Amino acid sequence: TQLLEQSPQFLSIQEGENLTVYCNSSSVFSSLQWYRQEPGEGPVLLVTVVTGGEVKKLKRLTFQFGDARKDSSLHITAAQPGDTGLYLCAGAPGNQFYFGTGTSLTVIP
Amino acid sequence: GAGVSQSPSNKVTEKGKDVELRCDPISGHTALYWYRQSLGQGLEFLIYFQGNSAPDKSGLPSDRFSAERTGGSVSTLTIQRTQQEDSAVYLCASSSYPAVAGGSYEQYFGPGTRLTVT
Repeated sequence: TQLLEQSPQFLSIQEGENLTVYCNSSSVFSSLQWYRQEPGEGPVLLVTVVTGGEVKKLKRLTFQFGDARKDSSLHITAAQPGDTGLYLCAGAPGNQFYFGTGTSLTVIP
Repeated sequence: GAGVSQSPSNKVTEKGKDVELRCDPISGHTALYWYRQSLGQGLEFLIYFQGNSAPDKSGLPSDRFSAERTGGSVSTLTIQRTQQEDSAVYLCASSSYPAVAGGSYEQYFGPGTRLTVT
């Protein structure tokens, strides 16, 4: 059983389309992070959300933290091939750090 | 400045042999983490160090896995009597403060060691 479930697991879209990735848990997190990982590299932090209901924007990426701090979403507007990668949510409700199951995004030119 | 480095980048070993994986964190980072990632999957938390001590070792998958950190810097992850299911990419990360227990500090990752057990 995964503490952080992401959906969808795989996503293949055309350049210019919009998409949303979801990260859900039954546990409460004081903060959640989103990372992006490209092949052969380690994950790189995109954003940290810390307040229930918080919305953060990073260019074409919009991140939202659920009111109950159990879930988060990542919305990408007008996806580009450079957005291709593995997107991971992550957080630490206790003494271990958990990553989500991951969403593999492919943006086709 | 230098990022997190890991060695070797690739390791192929025979089933039953022991392997050591090394991680050099960013200088000055007190927290260090080990993760395991199967192909295209999310990361499995193994262990984290605050300084030289590991507050929680329960993420290690079996007693064949051990890790140590000396001098508050370099860390070694050792896998004894390797099995085929140990094949994965082992990632190390460091941060200036622990990202556990609700902390929100950024972790900086190394490129990983790809371990293949034949």
